[in-house]
Amino acid sequence: GAVVSQHPSWVICKSGTSVKIECRSLDFQATTMFWYRQFPKQSLMLMATSNEGSKATYEQGVEKDKFLINHASLTLSTLTVTSAHPEDSSFYICSAHRPSQAYEQYFGPGTRLTVT
Amino acid sequence: RKEVEQDPGPFNVPEGATVAFNCTYSNSASQSFFWYRQDCRKEPKLLMSVYSSGNEDGRFTAQLNRASQYISLLIRDSKLSDSATYLCVVNRGNQFYFGTGTSLTVIP
Repeated sequence: GAVVSQHPSWVICKSGTSVKIECRSLDFQATTMFWYRQFPKQSLMLMATSNEGSKATYEQGVEKDKFLINHASLTLSTLTVTSAHPEDSSFYICSAHRPSQAYEQYFGPGTRLTVT
Repeated sequence: RKEVEQDPGPFNVPEGATVAFNCTYSNSASQSFFWYRQDCRKEPKLLMSVYSSGNEDGRFTAQLNRASQYISLLIRDSKLSDSATYLCVVNRGNQFYFGTGTSLTVIP
């Protein structure tokens, strides 16, 4: 099956700093990647859709200047949480869409962010 | 109205029991349907796609009813290892919509 990696798998940072999370599709090209956030005991919430070579599409209520998304190549999308605050602490998961596979999406292992 | 509605549970069932989850979706133009399984602190993993004709994979059976816009998942002979959260996912175009997930705990 398709593999999507994420790095780092967990990170602890201080308030006010920025954190970059990478999402890579390892064995296929993904023109579209998705970024989700999941708080404890809640479902995944879509933050934004990342399109290769163009600007990301953000969901309502998600600040684009705070969550910077760059999809510079067909195998890499990055999410940067700028000026992180404790309320940004969450589980961030990316997924890559593989249209040739019945519109399935493949999830990365997630990044657990803790802001102190 | 939410795109996808799912009973959050929790469902607590004894080993060997049969348990069924349902999920409804609001947009009739939805194209593809999936059940994902998510273990605690892990990413969701595809359990199975759902087709109108119904599909079965071992102890798991998924069914789609387009007329009523609902999706079901049946688990027979529950195992302890089936304990997880089951997510209903609906696809339309380039968008995927998640249910809130149904929590299942299989008790010895």
